[in-house]
Amino acid sequence: GNSVTQMEGPVTLSEEAFLTINCTYTATGYPSLFWYVQYPGEGLQLLLKATKADDKGSNKGFEATYRKETTSFHLEKGSVQVSDSAVYFCALSDLDQAGTALIFGKGTTLSVSS
Amino acid sequence: ETGVTQSPTHLIKTRGQQVTLRCSSQSGHNTVSWYQQALGQGPQFIFQYYREEENGRGNFPPRFSGLQFPNYSSELNVNALELDDSALYLCASSLYVTSAPGGYEQYFGPGTRLTVT
Repeated sequence: GNSVTQMEGPVTLSEEAFLTINCTYTATGYPSLFWYVQYPGEGLQLLLKATKADDKGSNKGFEATYRKETTSFHLEKGSVQVSDSAVYFCALSDLDQAGTALIFGKGTTLSVSS
Repeated sequence: ETGVTQSPTHLIKTRGQQVTLRCSSQSGHNTVSWYQQALGQGPQFIFQYYREEENGRGNFPPRFSGLQFPNYSSELNVNALELDDSALYLCASSLYVTSAPGGYEQYFGPGTRLTVT
């Protein structure tokens, strides 16, 4: 079945460090891919998305490229800030379901210190 | 533009009881989805409603049921609560077009934290 695998956390970085959070997926067809972020005590917010192979999603300095050949969608940021501390979820659109259902990874906690 | 709201924020119930959680979708959206997020896990898809009918369901038993109203507000009902139902329940709304391909952004509410004792 369809699934998403994220790197285990927590990831602990100093401010201005480079960030990579790995995400790989298993899916039939060509799903859309997403990164969502969850700040403490809040719901999920869409960070970026890509809808087809080789698309690059970007937002707030974060980037991820849809790599069909490696079934990956790794999240990167060149210089993290303390305010980026949150839980990050990789997700794909579940094409076995009608509508807009998403399958999420388990999440990766990022902690950035000054 | 109003966001997605959920009520209540927190809820404590006893095993075997029934619970109803409520969600108000973002204005103009026609689809609402419900997810269960256990502690330390990613959200799991429960079901989705489109134009007041269920049009997708995850691997959850029938004691999880829902409704979507004409004003696109929604309810999640859980009967015969079990301890494992303790989780954060998230509602998400989106504007779905059946003829268009995927990539739909979902707008999430802050969630309802349910504790079953």
